[in-house]
Amino acid sequence: EIVLTQSPGTLALSPGERANFSCRASQSVRSNYLAWYQQIPGQALSLLIYGASSRAPGISDRFSGSGSATDFTLTINRLEPEDFAVYYCQQYDSSPLTFGQGTKLEIK
Amino acid sequence: EVQLAESGGGLVQPGGSLRLSCAVSGFTFSSYWMSWVRQAPGRGLEWVANIRQDGSDKYYLNSVRGRFTISRDNAKNSLYLQMNSLRGEDTAVYYCATMGDSGWNREFNWFGAWGQGTLVTVSS
Repeated sequence: EIVLTQSPGTLALSPGERANFSCRASQSVRSNYLAWYQQIPGQALSLLIYGASSRAPGISDRFSGSGSATDFTLTINRLEPEDFAVYYCQQYDSSPLTFGQGTKLEIK
Repeated sequence: EVQLAESGGGLVQPGGSLRLSCAVSGFTFSSYWMSWVRQAPGRGLEWVANIRQDGSDKYYLNSVRGRFTISRDNAKNSLYLQMNSLRGEDTAVYYCATMGDSGWNREFNWFGAWGQGTLVTVSS
């Protein structure tokens, strides 16, 4: 089983700043089969990034993904109020499909 | 507009059964792998099961294999999860979600569209 570890657990930033989220895998994720999601309370989860760096349809270009093998990063530029949420990474290289434990982005 | 709506959650005693449903609209349901993902209260996300477009292949999380059954009815645009022998640790919000892109063959993928979820509480 591929274990994904996200850091930090909580990130406190102000609107307009840049956010960086880390996701580290316990073993190499082949073909960059890694996705990122946003969870806002009361709303359906949203796919942000797949294939480590491809933006999902309709997602702002302020969101970008990078990385490979065991180290992946989600970056949000110019934070807006609606960006404050919980973010999860997920690998789909192998079964069981696994998620990181999440990073909460809160307003500083 | 893509919509997924789960139903069927509720309070059930340990050892009991429950059947979840997910009604979808706004996309060609029969072209997508589908999945159930759950989230225990205050916890992270956990994949539970997924099913091929025609229902011929199914995959399960080890801890639910033999107790849960995923199925679909393409004529009714609906996904199901039959849950038997429920345990306290199955308590969670259960989400249905599409997997990958239309027509893909690969059994494991990202989750593209999600429902709002239905809460299952297993308690005496």
